[in-house]
Amino acid sequence: NAGVMQNPRHLVRRRGQEARLRCSPMKGHSHVYWYRQLPEEGLKFMVYLQKENIIDESGMPKERFSAEFPKEGPSILRIQQVVRGDSAAYFCASSENRGVMNTEAFFGQGTRLTVV
Amino acid sequence: GEDVEQSLFLSVREGDSSVINCTYTDSSSTYLYWYKQEPGAGLQLLTYIFSNMDMKQDQRLTVLLNKKDKHLSLRIADTQTGDSAIYFCAESIRDKIIFGKGTRLHILP
Repeated sequence: NAGVMQNPRHLVRRRGQEARLRCSPMKGHSHVYWYRQLPEEGLKFMVYLQKENIIDESGMPKERFSAEFPKEGPSILRIQQVVRGDSAAYFCASSENRGVMNTEAFFGQGTRLTVV
Repeated sequence: GEDVEQSLFLSVREGDSSVINCTYTDSSSTYLYWYKQEPGAGLQLLTYIFSNMDMKQDQRLTVLLNKKDKHLSLRIADTQTGDSAIYFCAESIRDKIIFGKGTRLHILP
């Protein structure tokens, strides 16, 4: 059973371009969480999704950021018109049950976005 | 509010014990976690403790929870060079995990 798979591992975008980050949860997991880690910072919650539903997006910036988790395929975090301040590591986690009432959410290796 | 605080740096001599401390603010947390992050890597769950427990031991790791003071600690016995990493304290609140900024553990020879 492969772990949480994120791709790409590294992504370089010019200012104004779009960034698409993908996350395939562990097999059997239907809950996905996205976190952002700025340099020298901890992880900040962005959004929690269940298949075809956004459950909690309280950590998402109001503009340029969107996330989806379709019925088929990976979860996508999309950042439009990227700016330098979007440079960070973006981590995805998945869990089998709702929220984190389960013992753990499994994290992927992250996508490191660099905006030049 | 949702806030997790931990010191940013800790230096320990190889072979000694490391103690990393954390305070949190939300008393409704169900689980409290310690994650390890090595340079350029993702997060590895080291251990967790359910909020109605006081202590949990797992090989070299001991977690102590003082729920009254909202204080969590991680003790690593016989610290090795491979323990050098950033350690994140985290708490579960409803549908999300809230992380501290991480404690960078540096091992002295």
